[in-house]
Amino acid sequence: DAGVTQSPTHLIKTRGQQVTLRCSPKSGHDTVSWYQQALGQGPQFIFQYYEEEERQRGNFPDRFSGHQYPNYSSELNVNALLLGDSALYLCASNVGENSPLHFGNGTRLTVT
Amino acid sequence: DQQVKQNSPSLSVQEGRISILNCDYTNSMFDYFLWYKKYPAEGPTFLISISSIKDKNEDGRFTVFLNKSAKHLSLHIVPSQPGDSAVYFCAASDNQAGTALIFGKGTTLSVSS
Repeated sequence: DAGVTQSPTHLIKTRGQQVTLRCSPKSGHDTVSWYQQALGQGPQFIFQYYEEEERQRGNFPDRFSGHQYPNYSSELNVNALLLGDSALYLCASNVGENSPLHFGNGTRLTVT
Repeated sequence: DQQVKQNSPSLSVQEGRISILNCDYTNSMFDYFLWYKKYPAEGPTFLISISSIKDKNEDGRFTVFLNKSAKHLSLHIVPSQPGDSAVYFCAASDNQAGTALIFGKGTTLSVSS
């Protein structure tokens, strides 16, 4: 049973560019959340998708957007990259309320 | 302002002894609390959770205690094993507002044999 899978594992981009990160949730899970983890910090909530709609959003600018497909997979898009966007981006999936999040191994984004 | 605080960046314990990791929170609306463990190059792994209607939850070697009046929770690992060496994150959510988790900065646990 595959867990949460994310691609790519590492990515290097230049300031001002755009990036798309991808996530496939754990089998049977219908809700996908994205988190940003900066060095030395805990993961910070970006947004959550359920039934192809953004259900909840954290304190991130509109440069961060997402999408969920009918098969529950999801994308995170970041436009106009800043140096401060360099972080580990974690995708998590779950099903139902109070169901623990299952995290993928993340995508390490470096902005130069 | 951090809503979930793990004030000890690191903890060192000998194998077989008890590890106690602490977490404080400021938002009285939080009603669901979780602990995650993270190894390098891996995503966080769920360990144990507790609802605000309980004050203790146990799963094998792991026990979480919740003190709502003090806005404090702790994770006890007994006995500690070298494989427990990892970063431990405390997280909380306010299910009235949604299921987003608010994480602390983590505590690095080192268990020596």
